[in-house]
Order: sequence, then C-alpha cells, then structure tokens
Amino acid sequence: DVKVTQSSRYLVKRTGEKVFLECVQDMDHENMFWYRQDPGLGLRLIYFSYDVKMKEKGDIPEGYSVSREKKERFSLILESASTNQTSMYLCASTPGSQVNYGYTFGSGTRLTVV
Amino acid sequence: AQRVTQPEKLLSVFKGAPVELKCNYSYSGSPELFWYVQYSRQRLQLLLRHISRESIKGFTADLNKGETSFHLKKPFAQEEDSAMYYCALKWNYQLIWGAGTKLIIKP
Repeated sequence: DVKVTQSSRYLVKRTGEKVFLECVQDMDHENMFWYRQDPGLGLRLIYFSYDVKMKEKGDIPEGYSVSREKKERFSLILESASTNQTSMYLCASTPGSQVNYGYTFGSGTRLTVV
Repeated sequence: AQRVTQPEKLLSVFKGAPVELKCNYSYSGSPELFWYVQYSRQRLQLLLRHISRESIKGFTADLNKGETSFHLKKPFAQEEDSAMYYCALKWNYQLIWGAGTKLIIKP
C-alpha cells in the first residue's frame, strides 16, 4: 500500500538540464517536503509546502524550486542541474500540524548529474 | 538554535550484544523526539516517538531532559537491525534531523 510515490527511482541528467522530480501522496496530507540525503550529512530540507500553492524555503533552497498546484502533488525542479546536485532526493508528507504522527516517505529518487 | 547531534557515523556490534545509538539535542522548548530507520533498499520509516513511550522491535528510547539526550537502546542486537538510524526533533511543522548512524550487526 504505497502512499507516497516518487515518479523515478533513478535518473541520470546532464549538466545544465532542467530536471523535474515528482511526488504524489494519496493520504490527503497538507504538508509535503523535499529533502536531499547525503552520507554524513543526514537529511537536509530543500523546500516544504503546507498547502496548495504555498511553499517555504528550507535549509538549502539554492538551485531548486518547487510547485504545488494540487494537494496531492509536490514537484521539485532543478533549474539548471549541476554535478553537486547529484544526490538521493526524498519526498515526505504529514497531515496538518500532526508532525508527531510521523512523516511518510517516498522510496527516493537517486539523481546523477553528469 | 535547534540542533540534533548523532556523534557516531558508524556503530558496529556483534549479534546478541547490547546496542546504544546516541542522540543529543539542542532546543529551548519542550522537545518532541523521534527515531527513524532506513533498512537497505527500503524507504525511511518511523521507528518510535518519545511521546508514545513504546518499544518497537525491541528498541526503546528515553528522553533525558537533563542531559538533552534521546538515546536508542536494544538489549540484544539482531542481524536484521542493521540499518541507518536517524534521530529527529520536531520544530514547528518540521523535523530537524541528525546526520544519522549506520548500525552494522556482525554475526
């Protein structure tokens, strides 16, 4: 019963390309998050959204943008991919202010920029 | 500022030995803390929450406000416990994450 789906498991893109990472959740959650996961650095928040068309910068938003046109979908956009954006990208969602119920994560997208 | 520190990047113990994964936090309010686990090739998932005072898969974690710690413990490690473990602190609608500890259980 997959509840947070990331469209691609693996992606290889060229430097300078515009890259779209898609995330869809079917739990009617208000909050959605994009993280990148790097060894030794843990999870770093890129952007999050607490409602449709709303977005907030996280800790490392540079080089990224997001779109949330529908409640269930949260897209991460790399405007011009660079090799230092090679990473595992994780999407997560949580209902309203109930963070104490925990995040539900997608299976991740491993992006390689060459 | 809010911070979560997991001092060990890697922890290796033998099967049957006790396990303790350390987590320290910095937060001025009343903390809500979590442990998440990521098994190989699986998605990151919630292991336990301190507010639930639960034991999951034999793991427990006690919040120690005096030492600002939330260490994860298990008395007898099993091979299937090998995974990446993250400690996290609730802040507003977000979680502040530690860098993670890779736990390896040797047979």
